[in-house]
Amino acid sequence: GQQVMQIPQYQHVQEGEDFTTYCNSSTTLSNIQWYKQRPGGHPVFLIQLVKSGEVKKQKRLTFQFGEAKKNSSLHITATQTTDVGTYFCAVPNTGNQFYFGTGTSLTVIP
Amino acid sequence: DAGVIQSPRHEVTEMGQEVTLRCKPISGHNSLFWYRQTMMRGLELLIYFNNNVPIDDSGMPEDRFSAKMPNASFSTLKIQPSEPRDSAVYFCASSQRGTEQETQYFGPGTRLLVL
Repeated sequence: GQQVMQIPQYQHVQEGEDFTTYCNSSTTLSNIQWYKQRPGGHPVFLIQLVKSGEVKKQKRLTFQFGEAKKNSSLHITATQTTDVGTYFCAVPNTGNQFYFGTGTSLTVIP
Repeated sequence: DAGVIQSPRHEVTEMGQEVTLRCKPISGHNSLFWYRQTMMRGLELLIYFNNNVPIDDSGMPEDRFSAKMPNASFSTLKIQPSEPRDSAVYFCASSQRGTEQETQYFGPGTRLLVL
């Protein structure tokens, strides 16, 4: 089945600092999705990337899909306390299911 | 839309008891997923249904777990008998298969504690 590695597992940043999480696959992906889970909450869809080299922005969040479509990154500029949570990448598996990465837990220190 | 609805939100039970978790997917969605989340194992897919039919249950831990989807608006995940290692958060998610962007919409989860 599909395997994807997500790094780092944990990240503590001072409020206002930038944050990046990476998702790496050994195989070429047709697309990749990113989700955010707040503490005590449930995963919420953020975005889907499909095209090679695609870059999408949502306010302070920048999502990038690698040229080889084997990796992706999520970058947050000037973190805020509202950014706290775990960020997951999800990649297609057999059928229409998605395999979720291990997630990166972000702590923002005020 | 109310989103994916799960019940109960919290469940505390004793080892050996039967536990039934319930899920109502978003109306019109034709795919339903059951996940389990723990600190040790992360977010694991247990089983998913397309048009009420179980497609892949390879993630179901063992015979103590069973899932049903009798109609498009309801699914259950049953654990019988429950064990302390089943303690976790169980999420149900639904999506619309066949769309360009198959976003999964998660319910609030059921937090299960087996004593």
